[in-house]
Amino acid sequence: GAVVSQHPSWVICKSGTSVKIECRSLDFQATTMFWYRQFPKQSLMLMATSNEGSKATYEQGVEKDKFLINHASLTLSTLTVTSAHPEDSSFYICSARGPAGGGLKWGTDTQYFGPGTRLTVL
Amino acid sequence: KNQVEQSPQSLIILEGKNCTLQCNYTVSPFSNLRWYKQDTGRGPVSLTIMTFSENTKSNGRYTATLDADTKQSSLHITASQLSDSASYICVVSSSASKIIFGSGTRLSIRP
Repeated sequence: GAVVSQHPSWVICKSGTSVKIECRSLDFQATTMFWYRQFPKQSLMLMATSNEGSKATYEQGVEKDKFLINHASLTLSTLTVTSAHPEDSSFYICSARGPAGGGLKWGTDTQYFGPGTRLTVL
Repeated sequence: KNQVEQSPQSLIILEGKNCTLQCNYTVSPFSNLRWYKQDTGRGPVSLTIMTFSENTKSNGRYTATLDADTKQSSLHITASQLSDSASYICVVSSSASKIIFGSGTRLSIRP
């Protein structure tokens, strides 16, 4: 259980185009999803927290107009990188917070990570 | 300030050897601590999760310890295998639903 998928797993695009990345919780409902960015040999950097049915909360320094997040359902959140530039090339990882109840196995603060999406902007 | 510090930053050991990774935290109020393994180009995968009352927890060749008094945790890997090469990330959650990531330890296993 607790499987999170991302699509696509990798994408190459031209500078100036927009790219959409999907994050899905496959076997549980996630009221909260998180989006991270990771540069080579560095740790994950939280970009934003996405709550179903409401606006995302962005971390300091992350442009909300550039990284559009939509969390329209309990199993799907999308990150759209608008007008992508080469410096946006990175590894983007989403995670979904487990459902309430069920002890620590499904603790509300347990995050289940997707496999990541490698974005390369030419 | 809530912080999670991991050491060493990187580690190289020979296949079959044991190693121990460290995690020190200043997160308060403490809720739980997790160790994740992240293979290159993949998302993190949970290895163990520990609460305040747990001192030791094992998952196969991985053994995690937690000392809530000194706010230290360790991850011990026994009889390392080539597939253990990865980044190991310590993540601490506070009771206020804050989640703080360590910067990770990059472990390389050499044949």
